[in-house]
Amino acid sequence: QKEVEQNSGPLSVPEGAIASLNCTYSDRGSQSFFWYRQYSGKSPELIMSIYSNGDKEDGRFTAQLNKASQYVSLLIRDSQPSDSATYLCAVGFGNEKLTFGTGTRLTIIP
Amino acid sequence: EAQVTQNPRYLITVTGKKLTVTCSQNMNHEYMSWYRQDPGLGLRQIYYSMNVEVTDKGDVPEGYKVSRKEKRNFPLILESPSPNQTSLYFCASSLAGPHEQYFGPGTRLTVT
Repeated sequence: QKEVEQNSGPLSVPEGAIASLNCTYSDRGSQSFFWYRQYSGKSPELIMSIYSNGDKEDGRFTAQLNKASQYVSLLIRDSQPSDSATYLCAVGFGNEKLTFGTGTRLTIIP
Repeated sequence: EAQVTQNPRYLITVTGKKLTVTCSQNMNHEYMSWYRQDPGLGLRQIYYSMNVEVTDKGDVPEGYKVSRKEKRNFPLILESPSPNQTSLYFCASSLAGPHEQYFGPGTRLTVT
C-alpha cells in the first residue's frame, strides 16, 4: 500500500510569517508530487506541482522535494488569512494513480 | 468556462437503491477519476480512466462501477448502496495521467 503521511495539524501561524507544511511518502519510485489547497466546503485546487529534486517557487509558495529522504514540503511566505485552509499532499505512483495524504489544516492568525 | 461538473450535488438515498452520479468535463481531458473523502481518511481514489479505452480500479473500488463511453463523461454507479458509502465524492480530470487534476464541486451522498 502506497502511503503519504502528513501532520494533520491544526497548524497555527501568525499573519506575515512563513507557514511550513510537510509530507513524507513510502514509495521511492514516485515521480510526481502535488500540493492542493481545500477551503472548508469546497473542492481541492492545485497550487503547486514538482517533479524533480530541489525547490520550485510560484509567488508566495515554494515547493521543496527531496527524493532521497522521500520528503516534500510547501512553504508559504507572508502568510495571509486567506491562506487558512487544509493543504493536501498528493504523490503520483507510476503514471496512473494518485495518492493523497490526509491533509494539514492551516490557520493564519491575524 | 473550463470546468468539471457533477450531479447531483446532494443526495440522500436508502440502502440498496441503485444510483448514478454524473461527471462531465469540457476541457478535452483524457484522464478522469473518482475520489471519496472521509474525515480522518482523506481523499481516496475509487476508479480512474486513462482514456476512453482504459479504466481501472483505484484504492477503494468495492461497491462502485464506472463507465467511460465518451471522453467528456465519467459516471459513478452504485448498484446497491450501503451506509458505509456515505461520503463526499469528487470527480477530477487532467490532460493526461493523474497530474494537475481539476476537481468538480463534489457530491455529498448519504445512504440510510
